[in-house]
Amino acid sequence: GENVEQHPSTLSVQEGDSAVIKCTYSDSASNYFPWYKQELGKRPQLIIDIRSNVGEKKDQRIAVTLNKTAKHFSLHITETQPEDSAVYFCAATSSTSGTYKYIFGTGTRLKVLA
Amino acid sequence: GAVVSQHPSWVICKSGTSVKIECRSLDFQATTMFWYRQFPKQSLMLMATSNEGSKATYEQGVEKDKFLINHASLTLSTLTVTSAHPEDSSFYICSAGRDRYNSPLHFGNGTRLTVT
Repeated sequence: GENVEQHPSTLSVQEGDSAVIKCTYSDSASNYFPWYKQELGKRPQLIIDIRSNVGEKKDQRIAVTLNKTAKHFSLHITETQPEDSAVYFCAATSSTSGTYKYIFGTGTRLKVLA
Repeated sequence: GAVVSQHPSWVICKSGTSVKIECRSLDFQATTMFWYRQFPKQSLMLMATSNEGSKATYEQGVEKDKFLINHASLTLSTLTVTSAHPEDSSFYICSAGRDRYNSPLHFGNGTRLTVT
């Protein structure tokens, strides 16, 4: 079945440094790749997304890159701040017979050290 | 926009009882909603896809008779955990999108279920 792998599972960086989280997906038909941030006890919040017709997208300190050939996409956070500490999930959509679903990666626990 | 409300936020029930969780899209219509289960420090595991006016599509390994899903209207989906047992204790979270396969999912606040 469809699968999304995410690495690393945990990541610690010093404040001000960059953080990179990588995901690979199995369904070559996937065409939408969102990233979510989840703080403890709260709902996941969309932070950035990318569609398959674009290779890169940036929003202030956050950027996402997509390599459709290799079926992987990455989240880049620059100038990290303590409030960036959270669990980050990547996802890929998969569509079969007119229905669609979102498959999530296993999550990355990011800790930004002050 | 795109607000999803989930109720209750937490519930404690006795083993053998049933619990209903509601998920509402407040400012948009969602013909499709998704139900996830999340264990502590783990990812979001898709349980089922809820389709308005038709039967839910369950993921492999999810018991249909245990996790009853009803999607009676374009803004409401319910998940009923029947005959709950302690192993059903978990964080259940619903989500909805604007029915395009390349649009963001918006999540409810989640429901923490504890079965004693």
